[in-house]
Amino acid sequence: NAGVTQTPKFRVLKTGQSMTLLCAQDMNHEYMYWYRQDPGMGLRLIHYSVGEGTTAKGEVPDGYNVSRLKKQNFLLGLESAAPSQTSVYFCASSYSGTNEQFFGPGTRLTVL
Amino acid sequence: GEDVEQSLFLSVREGDSSVINCTYTDSSSTYLYWYKQEPGAGLQLLTYIFSNMDMKQDQRLTVLLNKKDKHLSLRIADTQTGDSAIYFCAEANAGNNRKLIWGLGTSLAVNP
Repeated sequence: NAGVTQTPKFRVLKTGQSMTLLCAQDMNHEYMYWYRQDPGMGLRLIHYSVGEGTTAKGEVPDGYNVSRLKKQNFLLGLESAAPSQTSVYFCASSYSGTNEQFFGPGTRLTVL
Repeated sequence: GEDVEQSLFLSVREGDSSVINCTYTDSSSTYLYWYKQEPGAGLQLLTYIFSNMDMKQDQRLTVLLNKKDKHLSLRIADTQTGDSAIYFCAEANAGNNRKLIWGLGTSLAVNP
């Protein structure tokens, strides 16, 4: 099992450009999450999904969109990137019960 | 709202025990977790404790939960340089346990 994978690992964007981050999990987990991690801010939840075809906003959703068309994939989109979106993005997945979250290796995004 | 607090830094000598502390505000927490993040990597679950337990031991790790004081601690026995990392405390809310409430993380430095 690969667990949770994220694509790409690194990306540099110019202000105004768009991109999509892909998260995939092979553990048949119902729940998936996108976080951003910034120095001194800990982990902040952007969006999450409790099942295929459903998404919900987290604490910092502005400027991001998500889609969960397939159970194993959760996409995070930036339509018009801003320097404030420079961050490390983590995807996670979990199953019901203990809600133990399994994390991907992260995507380091820089917006110039 | 719910909050999880941790001290930001801890420094110990190799071979000593480390104790990382966490306080939380939600009295209806169901599960409490400790995650470890090594430099440049995603988060890994170290251990978790169900709210009706007061202690859990797993090899060098001991978790203590004081529900009355809403205090959680992680003790690492015989701390090694490989334990240097950021340790995150998180709780699952009984009202919405699909989301976790995260502390900001404690950076543990182990000195030889």
